[in-house]
Order: sequence, then structure tokens, then C-alpha cells
Amino acid sequence: SQTIHQWPATLVQPVGSPLSLECTVEGTSNPNLYWYRQAAGRGLQLLFYSVGIGQISSEVPQNLSASRPQDRQFILSSKKLLLSDSGFYLCACGTDSNQPQHFGDGTRLSIL
Amino acid sequence: EDQVTQSPEALRLQEGESSSLNCSYTVSGLRGLFWYRQDPGKGPEFLFTLYSAGEEKEKERLKATLTKKESFLHITAPKPEDSATYLCAVQAPSGYALNFGKGTSLLVTP
Repeated sequence: SQTIHQWPATLVQPVGSPLSLECTVEGTSNPNLYWYRQAAGRGLQLLFYSVGIGQISSEVPQNLSASRPQDRQFILSSKKLLLSDSGFYLCACGTDSNQPQHFGDGTRLSIL
Repeated sequence: EDQVTQSPEALRLQEGESSSLNCSYTVSGLRGLFWYRQDPGKGPEFLFTLYSAGEEKEKERLKATLTKKESFLHITAPKPEDSATYLCAVQAPSGYALNFGKGTSLLVTP
């Protein structure tokens, strides 16, 4: 079964600073990869998904971007963080579109 | 617009006191309904997938059922280790996004 690694586990960044969160997957090849954000009192919101290297789809307009430089690597980035970017960021992977997605343990991002 | 509503928001049970969590959904062409468990500070852990009305899945003290409008997660004789937030999600027609409810926070006391 697949294992999803995310780091760092927690991150505190000042407003206006850049961001790079990394997610790597083991135990599967050519997975669909996803970035979600979970804010307090709200459900998980899909930010980006990727069905292959270099293929990125954005679900909501925002201050963030994603890249997939390798088959099992997914990166979430920002050039300048906003206060509203605070939250719990989760990476997930899946195979077919109607199969369950499996999640990493997330990164807690706090913006000061 | 696709929506997923979970109730109650929070539930407190005594150990051994069975109950059910509800997930109501509106989606055009359900492709799958998923239940997850999430512990504090962790990512969601997959529990069940249900695809069609009438389907049931079981795992230890948990049983998930599905109708055309809602799903129930039944917890039989819960233990304190069952305390967690339980999330429900439906597969969007686009085939990739999961639409999540806000979850039910379950606390089981000894």
C-alpha cells in the first residue's frame, strides 16, 4: 500500500514570505495527487490535483501554485504568503477517480 | 451545487453506548461516498467506500450504510479509542475532487 510523506509537520512563516511544501509518495506509480487545505470549522477544500508529471489543475483561485516535477513528488508553493493562507495542508494520492484517496499527516502552517 | 452535510457536529457517548452519525448529500450522479476517521493533528484515515444505495460495509465496531440521499455510520458499543472526527465525502462528477462535509467530532468517555 502507498505511503505519503509530507514535510515539514509544522511551519510558522511571516506574511509576505515564500512557501514550499513537499509531498512524496511511496508504494505506487503514476498516482493522482492532490493538495487540500483544512481550515478551522470548515471541511477539506481541494486546492490542486495532478494526474501526471507537469499536469496541474487548480480548483480555486488563490495565492498558491503547485508543481509535479516527478511522478511521485508534488509541491505546493507561494511567492508571498497572506494571513489567509494559514491552515492545515494535506497531500493525498489515489489511483482511479472513484477509488479512495489516501492522505499524508499534513503540514500545519501559521502565518504571523 | 454538490453539498455534503454531516450531523451532529459533535457527539459525546458513554463507552458501550451505540449511536449513528449522519451524512446527507446532494450530488448529480454519485460516483462514490467515502468515510474517513481523523485524529487531532493527523491526516484523514480511510474507512469505507460505498457506491450504490443499499450497500453496507463493516469494520470492527463500525458499519456504514448508504441510501439515495444519505449515509449513516453506525458505531456499536464504542470504546474511548473510537474518539475522533469522522468525515464523509462524495466523489464529484468531475471524477477527481472529493467534496467533504465538516465532520462529526465524537468523544467516547469511559
